[in-house]
Amino acid sequence: QLQLQESGPGLVKPSETLSLTCTVSGGSISSSSYYWGWIRQPPGKGLEWIGSIYYSGSTYYNPSLKSRVTISVDTSKNQFSLKLSSVTAADTAVYYCARLKKYAFDIWGQGTMVTVSS
Amino acid sequence: NFMLTQPHSVSESPGKTVTISCTRSSGSIASNYVQWYQQRPGSSPTTVIYEDNQRPSGVPDRFSGSIDSSSNSASLTISGLKTEDEADYYCQSYDSSSVVFGGGTKLTVL
Repeated sequence: QLQLQESGPGLVKPSETLSLTCTVSGGSISSSSYYWGWIRQPPGKGLEWIGSIYYSGSTYYNPSLKSRVTISVDTSKNQFSLKLSSVTAADTAVYYCARLKKYAFDIWGQGTMVTVSS
Repeated sequence: NFMLTQPHSVSESPGKTVTISCTRSSGSIASNYVQWYQQRPGSSPTTVIYEDNQRPSGVPDRFSGSIDSSSNSASLTISGLKTEDEADYYCQSYDSSSVVFGGGTKLTVL
């Protein structure tokens, strides 16, 4: 059974770079059938897609975040990662990683809370 | 890019039927599949409808999805409401390079 697990610091200082990793277990990230994505949810607010990546490294980013986002994949570790630069308090959120099967995010991680504060 | 607009909240009584709408701001709703997610407090979202009207295994047939080109919107209908259906519901679609979520609808079953 495929599982995704987010990991990374829970506290990031303003202007610094937020870095998270999603580890995929129970299946291969190199499957040609799926993309992999990051989604975030500020406290009390809705879901926001950050970006998606294919195992080959092909990426798609939310235009509103594109200038600050980098998503990468490490197939040898069965992981993909998120870097978000120049963070502010507005980037405080629960960050989810998820598998994108065709058009739907069908498997989600449990989410990790990241707070931006000095 | 386009936006998906949902009502902020809806409420209905147990046993009744409720419909949540999701209106696409530009481009045809029929051009790209719509998905619906349920999110209970403190939990990750789960898919209840994918590809406009398909139910994942394990989702009861009380949940159904549809699209209406005339209003450029998608709908999630939940019949025979149960208290366990109380949650936030999000629609989601995409275009050639982006994924878009609706703002979410809080369903209260009272």
